[in-house]
Amino acid sequence: TQLLEQSPQFLSIQEGENLTVYCNSSSVFSSLQWYRQEPGEGPVLLVTVVTGGEVKKLKRLTFQFGDARKDSSLHITAAQPGDTGLYLCAGAQPGGYQKVTFGTGTKLQVIP
Amino acid sequence: KAGVTQTPRYLIKTRGQQVTLSCSPISGHRSVSWYQQTPGQGLQFLFEYFSETQRNKGNFPGRFSGRQFSNSRSEMNVSTLELGDSALYLCASSLGTSGSPSWETQYFGPGTRLLVL
Repeated sequence: TQLLEQSPQFLSIQEGENLTVYCNSSSVFSSLQWYRQEPGEGPVLLVTVVTGGEVKKLKRLTFQFGDARKDSSLHITAAQPGDTGLYLCAGAQPGGYQKVTFGTGTKLQVIP
Repeated sequence: KAGVTQTPRYLIKTRGQQVTLSCSPISGHRSVSWYQQTPGQGLQFLFEYFSETQRNKGNFPGRFSGRQFSNSRSEMNVSTLELGDSALYLCASSLGTSGSPSWETQYFGPGTRLLVL
């Protein structure tokens, strides 16, 4: 079973600060996705990265896929209270039918 | 376009009982995946259905089963409930045309929160 470790597990920051969330594995993934989940709701897809070294930007969010496709990071610039939620990475293993493995999650709280 | 709907939203059962959860995918989506989310284990893949057939399965015991109907609606059943089955059960739908939910955008429902006493 592939494992996706996220760090930190919990993060509480003030509005306006920057932060980075990491998603690491010893296995190679053919693609990696980041989701945000708010209380009482299901996860919502933010981005999918496919190519090693790929960087994608979504407004104040920057996503990077590691060169070896074993890790990824999510950087948020000038965090806002609306960014509060559970951030999940999810990886698909290469070859054949791809089963999705979710990371352990990072709970982010942005204090106004 | 209506999103993914799950019923019921909350459920309380006792050990040994069985439970059936329902998921209605987005119109036109033919793939439905089920996940279990707990604080300790996170989000874990249960199984995926496409065109009424189970296409992939996670590492859960046989007490967890599912099915999909011709209109793509799906049900998940858990028999002989255990305390450890208390969790948020999420379903997600996607078009299903690529053969893998990981290559398509999955749209999650709000989940069914199951409490086993």
